[in-house]
Order: sequence, then structure tokens, then C-alpha cells
Amino acid sequence: DQQVKQNSPSLSVQEGRISILNCDYTNSMFDYFLWYKKYPAEGPTFLISISSIKDKNEDGRFTVFLNKSAKHLSLHIVPSQPGDSAVYFCAEGSNYKLTFGKGTLLTVNP
Amino acid sequence: NAGVTQTPKFQVLKTGQSMTLQCAQDMNHNSMYWYRQDPGMGLRLIYYSASEGTTDKGEVPNGYNVSRLNKREFSLRLESAAPSQTSVYFCASSEWGSRETIYFGEGSWLTVV
Repeated sequence: DQQVKQNSPSLSVQEGRISILNCDYTNSMFDYFLWYKKYPAEGPTFLISISSIKDKNEDGRFTVFLNKSAKHLSLHIVPSQPGDSAVYFCAEGSNYKLTFGKGTLLTVNP
Repeated sequence: NAGVTQTPKFQVLKTGQSMTLQCAQDMNHNSMYWYRQDPGMGLRLIYYSASEGTTDKGEVPNGYNVSRLNKREFSLRLESAAPSQTSVYFCASSEWGSRETIYFGEGSWLTVV
């Protein structure tokens, strides 16, 4: 059973608008959630994380929200830029490893 | 900065052949990982090594073996390659306890025919 679910395989938004990527999880005993970004033919790169004791973390244009009661987290990108077009993975961190979702392909149209 | 380096970058194997993917990190991290990425499946953990001298199975370990050669190096071996192992393989490392961020290599594209 998948522990981390990204139910939207793709998302398309206009440049300058907000992008919202969603992730649901099943394991309540986590330490951290992280978001990774991946361009084609490159390795994933870390974007932003949030610990279990917080409900929001912000880094520039990127904000991650954690709703523990709903077991849901989301990544907001404001404003979206064409260079943000990539696959975004959410991941759960616990027990020395990360478990990833299947990813969401974000396309930001100029 | 090299970070995580994995070789080879591309490889074509025949069914039944064996090969080893090499990985080295220069960040003095304790933990190392091997993931595979397949279309529609995301990143799935094959094996990991929480610290030098230990290895553990991940989500999809069947058909693979690993060796944590020293703190820097973590290799992945396919003893008898199968077409189902056609994938992109990523090595990663982390200093667990420091925001749990892991750093990935650039990937190795493996095709088994």
C-alpha cells in the first residue's frame, strides 16, 4: 500500500499564477516531509521540507503546508515561472530513508 | 563540487548478464541509497545503508545486491539482469538527522534487452 500519494499526475498553470501541488500520506509516525524537483535527465534536487511540529514552511516563492488531521500536505509556488516546469515529488522521511510519491508533472506556460 | 557520482551513466545489458553500478559521495555522509525511477512509479527505494557496515532492503530489493565498500562508496549489483530491471537508477547520500535531506546523483540509464 502506497504510503505517500500524489493523485494528480500533471498540472498546467499560466506564468505568474499560483501552482498548488498536493500530497496525501498514511503514516502518522513521520519525522519530515520533503519536496523534490526533477528535470529530465537529471537527479532530483531538494526544494523544501517541513517537520512534524510545524504546519507551514516558507522559502521564497515556495511554501509547504501540512495538515496533520487530514494527513495532507501541499506545495504552493507563487508566482509560477516557466523554469518551474518539472516533476515534483513529495517524500516522507523517517527511519533513515525517504519514501517518495509518484510525482506530479508541472507545466508553467508563458 | 562533485557531490554524488555514479557510473556508468548509460549501459545496455543482455538478459542474464551481470553488472555493478558504482556510486561515490564526497560529502562525508553516513547514509547512502539506491533508488530506481520508472514511468508512472516515482522513485522506489531498492536498498539503503544507514551507516558504514550496514545495509537494508528497501521497497524493491529483489534481483539486486549491494555493498557498502566504505563510507564513501555504495555499489549496486545485478547478478542476472532481466528486462524488468530496465530503469533509471539513482544513488543518493545523506547525513540523517540534518533535515533528512538526501542528495542525488545524476542517474544511470540501464536497458536490459
